Amino acid sequence: DVKVTQSSRYLVKRTGEKVFLECVQDMDHENMFWYRQDPGLGLRLIYFSYDVKMKEKGDIPEGYSVSREKKERFSLILESASTNQTSMYLCASSLGRDIYYEQYFGPGTRLTVT
Amino acid sequence: AQKITQTQPGMFVQEKEAVTLDCTYDTSDPSYGLFWYKQPSSGEMIFLIYQGSYDQQNATEGRYSLNFQKARKSANLVISASQLGDSAMYFCAMVGSNSGYALNFGKGTSLLVTP
Repeated sequence: DVKVTQSSRYLVKRTGEKVFLECVQDMDHENMFWYRQDPGLGLRLIYFSYDVKMKEKGDIPEGYSVSREKKERFSLILESASTNQTSMYLCASSLGRDIYYEQYFGPGTRLTVT
Repeated sequence: AQKITQTQPGMFVQEKEAVTLDCTYDTSDPSYGLFWYKQPSSGEMIFLIYQGSYDQQNATEGRYSLNFQKARKSANLVISASQLGDSAMYFCAMVGSNSGYALNFGKGTSLLVTP
């Protein structure tokens, strides 16, 4: 079974802190994704990566950056956390780039910025 | 650009009944895939079923089936014989051939199965 793990289930940070959210997948998937989920808005794509050291902006990249130094690991970085970044963050991975590849999701990190 | 619309914020169904969750989409991609995910209160996203735009037959997976009507741009999820454990949020999502292969999600439908 594919396993996608995220470093924390719950995280509380202060405004202005630099925050790292880590995601690791164990199935040699090419693609990795970061989404945020807010009530009434569904899931929105922040960043994604098709390969090591490669990244693409999603729909809402402002205030975030990412890092993919190894194939299995995709990190989301909040450079200076703000209260409007309080959200559920979901990482996902998929095997390849085609329309039939399902995405496998991690358990999510619920981040609160105070 | 792609757009996924789920018009039912909340639905109720009685145990053992069938329920249909609506999803309509809009895309200019020549080929695309449609997915349904389930999200229980625990938060994890669980893949349920997939339909490709080129598939001639509607997809089925156990109690889940996808009523795909390409001309109407709809991809409704049908859950037969509902169970209490089906209570969850359900998301329709799409991937397009010209749209980067990231999932584009609808806003979800909350399903409550009652005894």
